[in-house]
Amino acid sequence: NAGVMQNPRHLVRRRGQEARLRCSPMKGHSHVYWYRQLPEEGLKFMVYLQKENIIDESGMPKERFSAEFPKEGPSILRIQQVVRGDSAAYFCASISDASTEAFFGQGTRLTVV
Amino acid sequence: QKEVEQDPGPLSVPEGAIVSLNCTYSNSAFQYFMWYRQYSRKGPELLMYTYSSGNKEDGRFTAQVDKSSKYISLFIRDSQPSDSATYLCAMKSPGAQKLVFGQGTRLTINP
Repeated sequence: NAGVMQNPRHLVRRRGQEARLRCSPMKGHSHVYWYRQLPEEGLKFMVYLQKENIIDESGMPKERFSAEFPKEGPSILRIQQVVRGDSAAYFCASISDASTEAFFGQGTRLTVV
Repeated sequence: QKEVEQDPGPLSVPEGAIVSLNCTYSNSAFQYFMWYRQYSRKGPELLMYTYSSGNKEDGRFTAQVDKSSKYISLFIRDSQPSDSATYLCAMKSPGAQKLVFGQGTRLTINP
């Protein structure tokens, strides 16, 4: 399966802990989006990255959230000192250099207790 | 005003009916239009991709874009219970990076 891979699928964290969400793009794709989805709501843009570059982080909260996409390895969305309001599904999508078609992974469902 | 408006539904129709799903938008710079299907607790799946205006057909699905009205539609013919899902429209302008999504319409096809 050469699709977008996200892990873990489910993540439970206590308030104040850190959450790390991983995304491996489709083979040949060098751009990654991260989106957040609350129950019964649409997808909210967070950040768009190219390998080793953050292109657009206009949707990222100013504090506690960060993202990276290193030259080697998956893209990481990191949430420090999680709060209950961070509970949501986080989706990653990848696109190639030559296209605007974005393909999504199955998401990571974060629950903060 | 949201950039992309989509009626969240829910929409319930009998099996075999023609379904029409719609989005309106305010940003005239949008040129790329997509429809995604999302089953419960799954990731969005790209269904249709259209550039600029016009129609595109793929099996039972037809996507239409009317840029003069800032209105896009997805039609599903011969709807089946397996089409029951949330349908999300998404748009992007050239040179911009982010895909802007509608809220999604929850669709149920009743056998």
